[in-house]
Amino acid sequence: AQTVTQSQPEMSVQEAETVTLSCTYDTSESDYYLFWYKQPPSRQMILVIRQEAYKQQNATENRFSVNFQKAAKSFSLKISDSQLGDAAMYFCAYRSARAYDKIIFGKGTRLHILP
Amino acid sequence: ETGVTQSPTHLIKTRGQQVTLRCSSQSGHNTVSWYQQALGQGPQFIFQYYREEENGRGNFPPRFSGLQFPNYSSELNVNALELDDSALYLCASSLQGFNEQYFGPGTRLTVT
Repeated sequence: AQTVTQSQPEMSVQEAETVTLSCTYDTSESDYYLFWYKQPPSRQMILVIRQEAYKQQNATENRFSVNFQKAAKSFSLKISDSQLGDAAMYFCAYRSARAYDKIIFGKGTRLHILP
Repeated sequence: ETGVTQSPTHLIKTRGQQVTLRCSSQSGHNTVSWYQQALGQGPQFIFQYYREEENGRGNFPPRFSGLQFPNYSSELNVNALELDDSALYLCASSLQGFNEQYFGPGTRLTVT
């Protein structure tokens, strides 16, 4: 069975600084997708960034980038120039490339932005 | 483009009762997935509906059931509520074959 582990329950970063959230996963599959979702206090889960396992190039979305290490089964999220609006729970998630779209989430990391 | 909506926003039920939660999928999406998010945890997959049929199920008992309607909206029904059913229930819609799911704001269920 696939698992997703986030070892940092909480993190804090100064506004405008850079922070990296860690995630490891376990799977025996070779074709899958990895995601980072953001859940602010409004509760709405928002997709931050997506990585396809077959792509060697790390995904980037504006201030958000990932470090995808397939052999190590590691998928970290880097947030540059942190903003107050980045404060939220961040979930690392895995989805097999098989038929249906069950997403497996980690337990989350709460990110605090210090002004 | 209308996003995913869920109703009600929150509700309180008594142990043993039954509850129905509703989800309207994003325009153009034909697949709906339901997740349970206990306090302080990540969401856990309950089941998914595609073309009005259950298309996959997580580790949840049969008292969790669902429906999908021709307009792709969906219901989650939970019978014989237990205290541990207290959680945020998230609905996500997607287009089958594409890997992005779009989440609704959730329904907060409290069982007393």
